[in-house]
Amino acid sequence: ETGVTQSPTHLIKTRGQQVTLRCSSQSGHNTVSWYQQALGQGPQFIFQYYREEENGRGNFPPRFSGLQFPNYSSELNVNALELDDSALYLCASSYDKVEQYFGPGTRLTVT
Amino acid sequence: AQSVTQLGSHVSVSEGALVLLRCNYSSSVPPYLFWYVQYPNQGLQLLLKYTTGATLVKGINGFEAEFKKSETSFHLTKPSAHMSDAAEYFCAVSSYNNNDMRFGAGTRLTVKP
Repeated sequence: ETGVTQSPTHLIKTRGQQVTLRCSSQSGHNTVSWYQQALGQGPQFIFQYYREEENGRGNFPPRFSGLQFPNYSSELNVNALELDDSALYLCASSYDKVEQYFGPGTRLTVT
Repeated sequence: AQSVTQLGSHVSVSEGALVLLRCNYSSSVPPYLFWYVQYPNQGLQLLLKYTTGATLVKGINGFEAEFKKSETSFHLTKPSAHMSDAAEYFCAVSSYNNNDMRFGAGTRLTVKP
């Protein structure tokens, strides 16, 4: 059974650019959640997708958007990058929405 | 809205000593409570969870936590610390639909030989 995978592992972008992060869910999981973890802080909920529909959103601006595909993989898109967007972005998948399995994360650095 | 407060950003114990990591939550609905562990440069691994039923929850690696509604607490304990327990620990709260999980700021556990 393959766990949750994320790509890329690391990414460096310039302020104002756009970025797409990818997540492959664990086999059999239909729910994906995305989190932002700034250095030294706990993860902050960005949004969740359940069966390709957005199913909840945290306190993040609209320039953070997402997609979930029929195979339940997911993308996180961030437009107009700001320096404060530098963080570890975590993806978590689940089947019953309760027990979430986290990927290793994508480290985004904005310069 | 739900929230979590972890008391103590750093906890240091000796190998073999009791581990106690504190977590208090705030929730307007029956909470689901979780403890996760994060090792350097890795994602989060679930240690244990409370949804309903028995208030004393046992998890992996010898950890357990007790849900105390009257104290709005969900403290994590382990009777005897191992060097391999050194990591960052996060307490989290959500509700039955789990579409907005809130994490605490984390507690870094150091284990001294």
